Amino acid sequence: DAGVIQSPRHEVTEMGQEVTLRCKPISGHNSLFWYRQTMMRGLELLIYFNNNVPIDDSGMPEDRFSAKMPNASFSTLKIQPSEPRDSAVYFCASSPGTGTDTQYFGPGTRLTVL
Amino acid sequence: SQKIEQNSEALNIQEGKTATLTCNYTNYSPAYLQWYRQDPGRGPVFLLLIRENEKEKRKERLKVTFDTTLKQSLFHITASQPADSATYLCALETSNYQLIWGAGTKLIIKP
Repeated sequence: DAGVIQSPRHEVTEMGQEVTLRCKPISGHNSLFWYRQTMMRGLELLIYFNNNVPIDDSGMPEDRFSAKMPNASFSTLKIQPSEPRDSAVYFCASSPGTGTDTQYFGPGTRLTVL
Repeated sequence: SQKIEQNSEALNIQEGKTATLTCNYTNYSPAYLQWYRQDPGRGPVFLLLIRENEKEKRKERLKVTFDTTLKQSLFHITASQPADSATYLCALETSNYQLIWGAGTKLIIKP
């Protein structure tokens, strides 16, 4: 099994630029999660999809963040425009069932906004 | 709102001893709680899940307890090894069917 795949692994961009992070969940999993992790705030849930439908996006910081899941095998998290405070590691995770099932994490994308 | 706390200070343990990590929670009674391990530069990896009606769960050298009266879970690693050094996170299910995460405790096993 390939596990959860994320790309890119590292992204360095300048303030104001658009950033798109990509995720391929484990085949057959029904739920997908986007998290952000920083030293200060730990692991924060940004958005949770179940069967490709956004269930809870209350963790999305502001309108600059958007996420889509056009099909069961692909999701994107977009930040536009990016700001230095968005610098963090962004994880995608998937689970076989609902939001409280065991979650399988990808390797993460380390984002640095200069 | 639900709150979950783990010891923010790193835990230093001598190799071969038992390491014990604590996860406390408030304002909720979860049906189950999960423990994950995170190594530097990697995503968290699931270790164990314990349900409210299970006082204790074991997997090889790992043991988890769940005290719903104290609102606390303890995570034990017996016969600890330097390879057990990592950050350990607990996560509990919430009333809106999602997990909330502790900040994690960094465990350092010294040879």
